[in-house]
Order: sequence, then structure tokens, then C-alpha cells
Amino acid sequence: DQQVKQNSPSLSVQEGRISILNCDYTNSMFDYFLWYKKYPAEGPTFLISISSIKDKNEDGRFTVFLNKSAKHLSLHIVPSQPGDSAVYFCAASAGENTSGTYKYIFGTGTRLKVLA
Amino acid sequence: NAGVMQNPRHLVRRRGQEARLRCSPMKGHSHVYWYRQLPEEGLKFMVYLQKENIIDESGMPKERFSAEFPKEGPSILRIQQVVRGDSAAYFCASSPLGTASSYEQYFGPGTRLTVT
Repeated sequence: DQQVKQNSPSLSVQEGRISILNCDYTNSMFDYFLWYKKYPAEGPTFLISISSIKDKNEDGRFTVFLNKSAKHLSLHIVPSQPGDSAVYFCAASAGENTSGTYKYIFGTGTRLKVLA
Repeated sequence: NAGVMQNPRHLVRRRGQEARLRCSPMKGHSHVYWYRQLPEEGLKFMVYLQKENIIDESGMPKERFSAEFPKEGPSILRIQQVVRGDSAAYFCASSPLGTASSYEQYFGPGTRLTVT
């Protein structure tokens, strides 16, 4: 049972335009969400996060939107740059566990290609 | 990737051999997570450890897989009697405990295991 779904395996966007990556989840207990970027042969790199008490978080060119009623979040990158070409994973957690840290469920990723 | 070290980066084993994957967390981090990424899939949680303690191993296969994080030295993920289906990228992540950033997980570059 895939609790975190990224239904678009790939996305191509022209340089300078907006990239929108989507993520859906099924577990209403999830209350913390992260986006990671991953280049080939490297580990995932943390991009941006959002807690369920917010519906938007912005960091430079990256904005994450959370729609709790729809159990949907999205990552907007604007303007998109060729260096943004990578695989993007969303991850969700049901909050701190008893040991004070978080266990995340990852989506399958969306491969973004930004065309120059 | 924020100082999480994994070695080896690439590991080739024949069926039936043992694979040992090592992870040194970021300085000051006391929690280690292991994830596995099969080809064309997302990251799947395997196990979460503190020093000398396994906190959550709900993602570990019941047989042949084990993990430890000793008081001194790196965390080790051990796979005994490897099979072709174990071929994957294995990522380690570390996080701090008891801080405002304990939701963040920092990933190492991964170990790519190939079973021939």
C-alpha cells in the first residue's frame, strides 16, 4: 500500500517557466512533509519542508503548498533552471515517534527535466 | 551531502556472499536511518537506530538482513547470503535528537550493491 504517491514519473519544463511537482498521500495522520532533490549517483538533498499547521512555505525559488483536505502537496519551482533537472521525492511523517525523531515514507519520485 | 559518509560506494558480491555496508553519521547526530532504493522505485525505510539500540526495524526483511550502530564506530547494515534481488542502492541518513531540526534527515551518497 503506497501511502505517498507521486503519480507523474517525469516532467519536462522550459527554462524560466514554472515547474509544479505533485504528491498525494492517504494517511491523515501525516503531519510533516519534506521535499528532496536527487542527482544521479548521489544521495537525496533536503530542499524544503512544511508542517501541517501551515498551507504554504517558501524558500527562494521553491514553494511548497499543502492542501490537507485533499491530502495533496505540491512543489513549485519558479523560475526553473537547467540545474534543477533531477529526481524529486516527497516524504511524509506522522510526527515525532517516542524517541524524538521522525520516520518518513517516501514517494517514488518525479524526474524533472528543465530544457534550456 | 552534509557530512554523512557511506562506504563502499560500490559493492559487487556473488550470490551467497555477505555484504557489509557502513555509515558514519554527521558529527553530533545520534540517529541513523537506512533506506533501500530498488531500480525505478522510491526510497523504502528499512531500519532506524540510535547508538547501541535498534529503535524501529519494521522495514527490514525478516531474514538475512541485520543492522547495528555500536557505541564506537559506524553503523553497519549486513546482508547475509545475498541474492540478485538485493541489488539496489542503500542510503543512510542521520538526524539530530532533541533539537528544533530533529525532523531533518541528511543523506549520505549511498552504496550501490550489485549481486552477480
